[in-house]
Amino acid sequence: DADVTQTPRNRITKTGKRIMLECSQTKGHDRMYWYRQDPGLGLRLIYYSFDVKDINKGEISDGYSVSRQAQAKFSLSLESAIPNQTALYFCATSFVGEQFFGPGTRLTVL
Amino acid sequence: GQQVMQIPQYQHVQEGEDFTTYCNSSTTLSNIQWYKQRPGGHPVFLIQLVKSGEVKKQKRLTFQFGEAKKNSSLHITATQTTDVGTYFCAGLAGNNRKLIWGLGTSLAVNP
Repeated sequence: DADVTQTPRNRITKTGKRIMLECSQTKGHDRMYWYRQDPGLGLRLIYYSFDVKDINKGEISDGYSVSRQAQAKFSLSLESAIPNQTALYFCATSFVGEQFFGPGTRLTVL
Repeated sequence: GQQVMQIPQYQHVQEGEDFTTYCNSSTTLSNIQWYKQRPGGHPVFLIQLVKSGEVKKQKRLTFQFGEAKKNSSLHITATQTTDVGTYFCAGLAGNNRKLIWGLGTSLAVNP
């Protein structure tokens, strides 16, 4: 959905590096989410934010941090990347129900 | 913790055959959503069910929410190659503010 953008779309990095994934939305939604997807494991929630001052851990927040810079922007950071963080990362937004997903960032940690 | 189990994990059908995926929750849900993810794509919302026993149709897709609001199903009649992808259910339980996702059912359709 062009209303939710993620940068970069692909990233290869090395173990120990700090990396930031960015998400922007033009839908005017207060709620934003970060998920990771691994084959066979579905979508797992990393962090979610219901407004700029409301940020919450999801089920797999260890090794990740987030920043909600504005209503429209929600960034995910890997402080010290490790190989098992290699995955497809999705940002999503919602008003109340339906979630709108960005195109995803494919991250590889060597 | 709260879980949503989704079966089957994979389904391979011939074009024209029907397909059904099921979701079962360990707890009562206030609503359930269904999403489709095409290969190489991102999840896209299909529908939300809220009422006990609710049935909704979208062309060849039929969605049901169980009477106890603990289970749901998605049925596709006469599958087409355009139906290929992974179908996810995701439920909202009680006062929980985040969706609980099933692991998805991957559908392959032979032309």
